[in-house]
Amino acid sequence: EAGVTQFPSHSVIEKGQTVTLRCDPISGHDNLYWYRRVMGKEIKFLLHFVKESKQDESGMPNNRFLAERTGGTYSTLKVQPAELEDSGVYFCASSQNNGDTQYFGPGTRLTVL
Amino acid sequence: EDQVTQSPEALRLQEGESSSLNCSYTVSGLRGLFWYRQDPGKGPEFLFTLYSAGEEKEKERLKATLTKKESFLHITAPKPEDSATYLCAVQGTSGTYKYIFGTGTRLKVLA
Repeated sequence: EAGVTQFPSHSVIEKGQTVTLRCDPISGHDNLYWYRRVMGKEIKFLLHFVKESKQDESGMPNNRFLAERTGGTYSTLKVQPAELEDSGVYFCASSQNNGDTQYFGPGTRLTVL
Repeated sequence: EDQVTQSPEALRLQEGESSSLNCSYTVSGLRGLFWYRQDPGKGPEFLFTLYSAGEEKEKERLKATLTKKESFLHITAPKPEDSATYLCAVQGTSGTYKYIFGTGTRLKVLA
C-alpha cells in the first residue's frame, strides 16, 4: 500500500512569489492534515480536512495560506505571497477515521529567499 | 493550553547501553499519545499509540509506557540503526483531532 506522498520535495522561491504544495493521502483515508515545522521549533498543526470539508483550520497562520481538497482526494496548500518566515518543512498526514493514527508524508522543504 | 515536553533534547549512547526517553504532557483529556521516529530528511514514521494510563506497547528493542502525566520510550540494547529523532505527540478530546508535538529527542547510538 502506497504511503502519503508530497510534491515537490524541495522548493526555493523569492519573497513575494507563490508556491503550491501537493499532498496525496493514503488511498481510502478521508482525513487529511497539514503540519509544518519552522527552524528549531516543534511540528505544528495547520489544518484538517474530512473529505473535501475543512474540519479545523485553527492553525493556519494568516490569509496568505489557502488549502483545498477538491473531490476529497489530494490536497494543495498555496502560499501567496510567500514571506521569509514561511520557510520550513511542510508535512501532510492522513488517517482513515477521526482519531485514528495519522501517517505522515516525507514533507516539502520550503525556502523563501 | 495543551503542551508536550520531551527530554533530553539529545542523547548519545554506546551500542548496547539501554536508556529511556521522556515525554511529559498536559492536555485537557487525552485521546491518545503517539510515538514517532524521524530520520533526517524524512517524515515521521509511526511507532506506537497509547490510550490510557498503565498501557504498554513493545516493538523490537522499543517499549512505550504511559502514565497520567508522562510517557517513556525505553530503548533496550540499542543498535546504531536506532539513531534518529524520536517524537512524541498527544491528541486531546477537546473536539479537534490535531496532534500537539514535542520538539523531539535526537538519539545517537555509537558502534
